[in-house]
Amino acid sequence: DADVTQTPRNRITKTGKRIMLECSQTKGHDRMYWYRQDPGLGLRLIYYSFDVKDINKGEISDGYSVSRQAQAKFSLSLESAIPNQTALYFCATRSNSGGVSSYNEQFFGPGTRLTVL
Amino acid sequence: AQSVTQLGSHVSVSEGALVLLRCNYSSSVPPYLFWYVQYPNQGLQLLLKYTTGATLVKGINGFEAEFKKSETSFHLTKPSAHMSDAAEYFCAVTGGNNRKLIWGLGTSLAVNP
Repeated sequence: DADVTQTPRNRITKTGKRIMLECSQTKGHDRMYWYRQDPGLGLRLIYYSFDVKDINKGEISDGYSVSRQAQAKFSLSLESAIPNQTALYFCATRSNSGGVSSYNEQFFGPGTRLTVL
Repeated sequence: AQSVTQLGSHVSVSEGALVLLRCNYSSSVPPYLFWYVQYPNQGLQLLLKYTTGATLVKGINGFEAEFKKSETSFHLTKPSAHMSDAAEYFCAVTGGNNRKLIWGLGTSLAVNP
């Protein structure tokens, strides 16, 4: 079974609709991230969370919101989708073991391809 | 502020040829450096990482990278390309407070028969 799962894997929606993308993990990691990937723009961080009560904006949070329902679940919402939010969305997790002096790698889900018409 | 530059958005090599993907970074603190690979229609997976210690780091699938502080580089190499290496490769560096990663824009590697 996959350690980081994302649902749905593909979604087509219309402008103005509310959309929720879900991420679940079984790795026991406390840190979770949402990215979007666009051709030629690499990965851009939308939001990140270090625990249920610690949620932070990334570089492109406008138009998005998140909810950390539990340590294992981190959802991304588009309250009113617009066409330029068409992208590939990735969730990632990371362990905090080792403290602030270390940095463990991030583990990625398979992605959600979102198309906003 | 930390930043990452990947030179060449597209690299094409012949099967069996050397693979060299370039990554330069800027960091105000000792960096942790990562290379990730993204195969078509998949998420990203870690190839290798440098934290401390030996500057030549070996990763999966025959890839390696060398941390050169004087050149602020962390180039990825593989002696002999295989068709299965065709993918998107991303270099990343930790942010100054180690709270997140700073990503390069990626290099798409094509391997020709």
